[in-house]
Amino acid sequence: AQSVTQLGSHVSVSEGALVLLRCNYSSSVPPYLFWYVQYPNQGLQLLLKYTTGATLVKGINGFEAEFKKSETSFHLTKPSAHMSDAAEYFCAVSGSGANSKLTFGKGITLSVRP
Amino acid sequence: DAGITQSPRHKVTETGTPVTLRCHQTENHRYMYWYRQDPGHGLRLIHYSYGVKDTDKGEVSDGYSVSRSKTEDFLLTLESATSSQTSVYFCAYSGGPLNTDTQYFGPGTRLTVL
Repeated sequence: AQSVTQLGSHVSVSEGALVLLRCNYSSSVPPYLFWYVQYPNQGLQLLLKYTTGATLVKGINGFEAEFKKSETSFHLTKPSAHMSDAAEYFCAVSGSGANSKLTFGKGITLSVRP
Repeated sequence: DAGITQSPRHKVTETGTPVTLRCHQTENHRYMYWYRQDPGHGLRLIHYSYGVKDTDKGEVSDGYSVSRSKTEDFLLTLESATSSQTSVYFCAYSGGPLNTDTQYFGPGTRLTVL
């Protein structure tokens, strides 16, 4: 069984400030971890993913995330927020088994203040 | 453009009527998925397909059926729509297994069941 916890439903930051969106997971097997972004009235788009190898993963639009096994976390960060980053962000987890499904968190809405 | 479309984009129907949502991909990929998105729940997998006529249930499959007679089309049917099936439905595809491969999402179908 696997699950994702994204605490809180809304984060607000000022333009230029650090973005930190938290994700904790639970998995009985080595996890594969994903961050997806959803802009208003659109489908989801992959930001980045961790499967194996380097635990610091860089994605699109300046985002990165670090897999920390000891903390069961995969937090998403961006050094400087831009107005265009305003969207809903979903963390997701799957397992190493071929039949493992992708389980999404509930999502976090990021607002960026001018 | 991820090469995936959904139709219709919006639909209002009445309780007890059958509804079919269509997903069409132009990328000739093997794996396709149907999700529903509800506030506070993130995305939940309804059904998925790993090839023509090969489908399996996801997390919330009750009340839904699917069919895939061609690689490019994946249909989701609500046999007798209920108000609890009011949601936004997303289709997605991936080139490889669902546990590791990036999923590409369609724009969504907003379904309202009165």
